Amino acid sequence: GENVEQHPSTLSVQEGDSAVIKCTYSDSASNYFPWYKQELGKRPQLIIDIRSNVGEKKDQRIAVTLNKTAKHFSLHITETQPEDSAVYFCAATWGSARQLTFGSGTQLTVLP
Amino acid sequence: DAGVTQSPTHLIKTRGQHVTLRCSPISGHKSVSWYQQVLGQGPQFIFQYYEKEERGRGNFPDRFSARQFPNYSSELNVNALLLGDSALYLCASSPTGQETQYFGPGTRLLVL
Repeated sequence: GENVEQHPSTLSVQEGDSAVIKCTYSDSASNYFPWYKQELGKRPQLIIDIRSNVGEKKDQRIAVTLNKTAKHFSLHITETQPEDSAVYFCAATWGSARQLTFGSGTQLTVLP
Repeated sequence: DAGVTQSPTHLIKTRGQHVTLRCSPISGHKSVSWYQQVLGQGPQFIFQYYEKEERGRGNFPDRFSARQFPNYSSELNVNALLLGDSALYLCASSPTGQETQYFGPGTRLLVL
């Protein structure tokens, strides 16, 4: 099955700085890579996703890059704000059910 | 526009008991997936159902079972509860299971 590794586990940045979270995956057949934001006690919310036929995707302050050869993908958040503080999960889909395999999460703290 | 709903929100059971968790997908979505999220970890895939058929199953014991109804809602059943079953159980829906999955608020299960 798929294995997704995520780094770092915790990340603190000053407000206005950029944050980068990196993930690697093992199954070369995976072709869809979503990122979810989960605030304490709440549901995971999709913030951006990328498919394997695209190398980069941007949505305002958020961008995701994908390197299929190296089997890694990254989340970039620019101009961070305190409300960006949350746990961020990367995931990859695999198998006939296209089930999501999640990384272990990154606790992002944006310091005012 | 209603999102994914789950019931109950919280549940306390004792070891050996049985539990049933319920999920209603977004209107028009025919696929439901179940995930278990232990505190401090990413969600782990349990089942995916599409058009009332099981499409995929994660690495969980036979104590876990699920079904999907004609209206596409779903139930997750767990028998002979163990302390280690304490977790947040998340339901996610998508149109056919092959696209973006949207999560419900989860059911927080505590086994004593």
